[in-house]
Amino acid sequence: DSGVTQTPKHLITATGQRVTLRCSPRSGDLSVYWYQQSLDQGLQFLIQYYNGEERAKGNILERFSAQQFPDLHSELNLSSLELGDSALYFCASSVTGGGQPQHFGDGTRLSIL
Amino acid sequence: GEDVEQSLFLSVREGDSSVINCTYTDSSSTYLYWYKQEPGAGLQLLTYIFSNMDMKQDQRLTVLLNKKDKHLSLRIADTQTGDSAIYFCAESKNAGNMLTFGGGTRLMVKP
Repeated sequence: DSGVTQTPKHLITATGQRVTLRCSPRSGDLSVYWYQQSLDQGLQFLIQYYNGEERAKGNILERFSAQQFPDLHSELNLSSLELGDSALYFCASSVTGGGQPQHFGDGTRLSIL
Repeated sequence: GEDVEQSLFLSVREGDSSVINCTYTDSSSTYLYWYKQEPGAGLQLLTYIFSNMDMKQDQRLTVLLNKKDKHLSLRIADTQTGDSAIYFCAESKNAGNMLTFGGGTRLMVKP
């Protein structure tokens, strides 16, 4: 158990809909990262938050947004969903942002029908 | 092209050593990691090495880093069937700490 909690584990929805994925980092970790794992793109970094502030942005679509709350949990919002958004979405956390190893949750599997 | 590359597949017999290889292109990579993903599970951090090190050993795992060739390897001694999984190599730089992953190597361990 990595200590990173993601909910829900599975999500099935339709094109055009909006979903929210939730992540609780390990106790004491200030940085949260979101990654997308798909068959065609592999594992790709989406966005990082550190202590409530956006720290780095990767290949995140404009339809996607995220935030980190004062209690350090984070949410990833995906809107106007398309079939290609079907993937496994991982959250990871680390103590700081500077080279400390990231610990991953079990992911949320999103299926778009 | 890919920043981090791995071979797709490796098959070994139980009890043998496994060596999973990874190459990266960015010489400013300062941290290199190995993660394991079992079916239906998340990514488990196995070990990591800083770029100022050449080798790191942790029980059955040995990581070797050749900075000149930008080559990283993970050796698993006495491989067990429970080691069957996908292994991902990843690198990060100082700023931002985002991880860039390889495509993963599927390790199959035959009894």
